[in-house]
Amino acid sequence: AQTVTQSQPEMSVQEAETVTLSCTYDTSESDYYLFWYKQPPSRQMILVIRQEAYKQQNATENRFSVNFQKAAKSFSLKISDSQLGDAAMYFCAYRSAGVYGQNFVFGPGTRLSVLP
Amino acid sequence: EAGVAQSPRYKIIEKRQSVAFWCNPISGHATLYWYQQILGQGPKLLIQFQNNGVVDDSQLPKDRFSAERLKGVDSTLKIQPAKLEDSAVYLCASRSNEQFFGPGTRLTVL
Repeated sequence: AQTVTQSQPEMSVQEAETVTLSCTYDTSESDYYLFWYKQPPSRQMILVIRQEAYKQQNATENRFSVNFQKAAKSFSLKISDSQLGDAAMYFCAYRSAGVYGQNFVFGPGTRLSVLP
Repeated sequence: EAGVAQSPRYKIIEKRQSVAFWCNPISGHATLYWYQQILGQGPKLLIQFQNNGVVDDSQLPKDRFSAERLKGVDSTLKIQPAKLEDSAVYLCASRSNEQFFGPGTRLTVL
């Protein structure tokens, strides 16, 4: 079974600075997807960024980028120019690319605080 | 585009009572998920539907939890009887390409 680990329960960053959230995962599959989700205090989970395992190029979405190291099974999220609205729980998630069993496995989350 | 709708948003019950949650996914999304999110943890998948069929319910406590998606659209999740440890937020999500979450139902079992 796949597992996702986030070793940083809490992180803080100064507004306008850069922060990196860590995520490692364990799988025996070669084809899969990785995600970062954001859950603000209102609790509606939203997708931040997605990475296909077969792509070597790291995904980027505006101020959010990932460092995907497939061999090391590492998938970190970098937030540049942090804003107060970035404060939330961040969850790393894995999904198999197989036809069946495309369920998501989530990590325990990292609570990010943004300091003004 | 309307998002995933869930009701109720909050529910308080006593242990051994029954409770049901409702989810209306985004139109056209064939895949529907129910998750349990205990405070301070990541979401844990309870059940996955593809249209009206169950794809994965391996983590659903079937002695007390049940779910259905009869017409392949709306879904209900039921707990009968509830235990104290069922206190959590129950999230519904639907997916076509990407997964979208509803606002969740916060259940408190006293």
